[in-house]
Amino acid sequence: NAGVMQNPRHLVRRRGQEARLRCSPMKGHSHVYWYRQLPEEGLKFMVYLQKENIIDESGMPKERFSAEFPKEGPSILRIQQVVRGDSAAYFCASSPRDVPHEQYFGPGTRLTVT
Amino acid sequence: DAKTTQPNSMESNEEEPVHLPCNHSTISGTDYIHWYRQLPSQGPEYVIHGLTSNVNNRMASLAIAEDRKSSTLILHRATLRDAAVYYCILESLAGYALNFGKGTSLLVTP
Repeated sequence: NAGVMQNPRHLVRRRGQEARLRCSPMKGHSHVYWYRQLPEEGLKFMVYLQKENIIDESGMPKERFSAEFPKEGPSILRIQQVVRGDSAAYFCASSPRDVPHEQYFGPGTRLTVT
Repeated sequence: DAKTTQPNSMESNEEEPVHLPCNHSTISGTDYIHWYRQLPSQGPEYVIHGLTSNVNNRMASLAIAEDRKSSTLILHRATLRDAAVYYCILESLAGYALNFGKGTSLLVTP
């Protein structure tokens, strides 16, 4: 029973490049959440998606960040024109439909912007 | 959002019980108390949650004060693998934007 998968685990980008982070939820889970963790801080909610729908993106920066969860394939968090302040660990979580508060997290992608 | 207050850090000896406190004096009637933990370099892991009554599962126990203004996560026998940051989070059952604060960093020594 595979858990939440994220790839890559580590990603290095130069300023101005694009970063694409992927998340495959647990089998049977249709709800996906993305969180960001800056160094020495707790996780901050970014966005909540269901298949082909963005439910809540109130935690996403207004520019350069976007997320999708297509009908087929993993959820993607995309950061365009990365800046040094985007360096962080990005975690994806998934939950069953009727228990959104019980989230299962992936191992995270650690993004470093040089 | 109702806030929680946890000590920054705690230390325990291996195989001893650990009591991790959490204060949440502004908790609302629909807020459940959730605990997650994050081991080094890993994603958070769900531990336990409860509303009013004490709860037990294979990982831990959750003791909730009668007035619900505080709770305690109990690890009955700490192991070195329990060294992690423990987060106490308030959220309704329909809520999903988990609010991770700084948590309590638990150090377990042999």
